[in-house]
Amino acid sequence: SQQGEEDPQALSIQEGENATMNCSYKTSINNLQWYRQNSGRGLVHLILIRSNEREKHSGRLRVTLDTSKKSSSLLITASRAADTASYFCATDATSAGTASKLTFGTGTRLQVTL
Amino acid sequence: KAGVTQTPRYLIKTRGQQVTLSCSPISGHRSVSWYQQTPGQGLQFLFEYFSETQRNKGNFPGRFSGRQFSNSRSEMNVSTLELGDSALYLCASSLLGGLYEQYFGPGTRLTVT
Repeated sequence: SQQGEEDPQALSIQEGENATMNCSYKTSINNLQWYRQNSGRGLVHLILIRSNEREKHSGRLRVTLDTSKKSSSLLITASRAADTASYFCATDATSAGTASKLTFGTGTRLQVTL
Repeated sequence: KAGVTQTPRYLIKTRGQQVTLSCSPISGHRSVSWYQQTPGQGLQFLFEYFSETQRNKGNFPGRFSGRQFSNSRSEMNVSTLELGDSALYLCASSLLGGLYEQYFGPGTRLTVT
């Protein structure tokens, strides 16, 4: 079963605009990871944010985590056509050095047009 | 470092057959997990292996099994294939498992006819 929902399900923007995707989850977590997937291909790891962190940056990506609201957001600034993909959040409730099990959201399909 | 590799990339099988998929993790990573992705169910966890032991298992029937070798390479096997097993099977590699980044391979696209 899916841990959470992503919102919106689909997002269409123009190149240069910012894209914001939201992820909600149901249980307490240790970390949350964001992934990108181009059509039918493998998942590309974007960023990991731990439960004791509130914000993290990586290049044009900014991720926030609100554990009280059980939600996270991914902001892509100055989007490019190459950012067109599906984006997934995945939560991990397991402990350090123990079995890992990611529970994925439903994904947001981002379309960036020229 | 080389990324996670999966073989084969594409596979077509007939109902009732069995299939074995292979995954080579990133060098030094000891945890290997498997996920199934379908349009209807999304991404679902199958199982995770660490040091040749299955540490965690998802909600899949016993037809789905796996193993891990001493070099951390992993295989998953699906016996008595059903049409519903058609999916993208993804392998993820992690340094130690929980709390660490999971890096995914390109996947094996399995089609069951």
